[in-house]
Amino acid sequence: QVQLQQWGAGLLKPSETLSLTCAVSGESFSDYYWNWIRLPPGKGLEWIAEINHSGSTNYNPSLESRGTVSIDTSKNQFSLKLSSVTAADTAVYYCARRGTNRFFDYWGQGTLVTVSS
Amino acid sequence: EIVLTQSPATLSLSPGERATLSCRASQSVSSYLAWYQQKPGQPPRLLIYDASNRATGTPARFSGSWSGTDFTVTISSLEPEDFAVYYCQQRSNWPITFGQGTRLEIK
Repeated sequence: QVQLQQWGAGLLKPSETLSLTCAVSGESFSDYYWNWIRLPPGKGLEWIAEINHSGSTNYNPSLESRGTVSIDTSKNQFSLKLSSVTAADTAVYYCARRGTNRFFDYWGQGTLVTVSS
Repeated sequence: EIVLTQSPATLSLSPGERATLSCRASQSVSSYLAWYQQKPGQPPRLLIYDASNRATGTPARFSGSWSGTDFTVTISSLEPEDFAVYYCQQRSNWPITFGQGTRLEIK
């Protein structure tokens, strides 16, 4: 059974850097893309970025180059850093696997990140 | 960017009734569209992929269909556990995008 366990700081001040990590267990880390998705309060889901085991990445242009995803295959972990956060980055952040059907079939439990001065 | 417009924003029905949720894409996404169900405090759950294929564990009362850029998920007879928020998502073009969601609430 695939499990994604995520963690990271939940309260940030404007201009700080958001940092989240997701650990994958129960499945090969290869052959999939590993993603970050967020749910702002009162809004819909927003895809942020993805990375595969070889380090190939895709980003949502809406991040305006503030985001960086990285991977540590030795630990079966991947991470998200989002710089210069503002209140608009307040959201529940999820890590997720894009499976063989190329949709998001396994998700982390979510981390609420609040940006407030 | 492909915009997915879901309707209605809120749907109020009773258990046992039939629910029809819609998602319209701003341009062709072929059949590369999925539906997710999200309950409070939980991550989304994949229900339907490639427009009409049920994901593992999705009950048979859920079905997906499409015509052109219009996609529909139908719940044939609502169970109490079906009341949640539903999102559509396309993977045809970058960036991956989601609809804004339909809230299915108990009438």
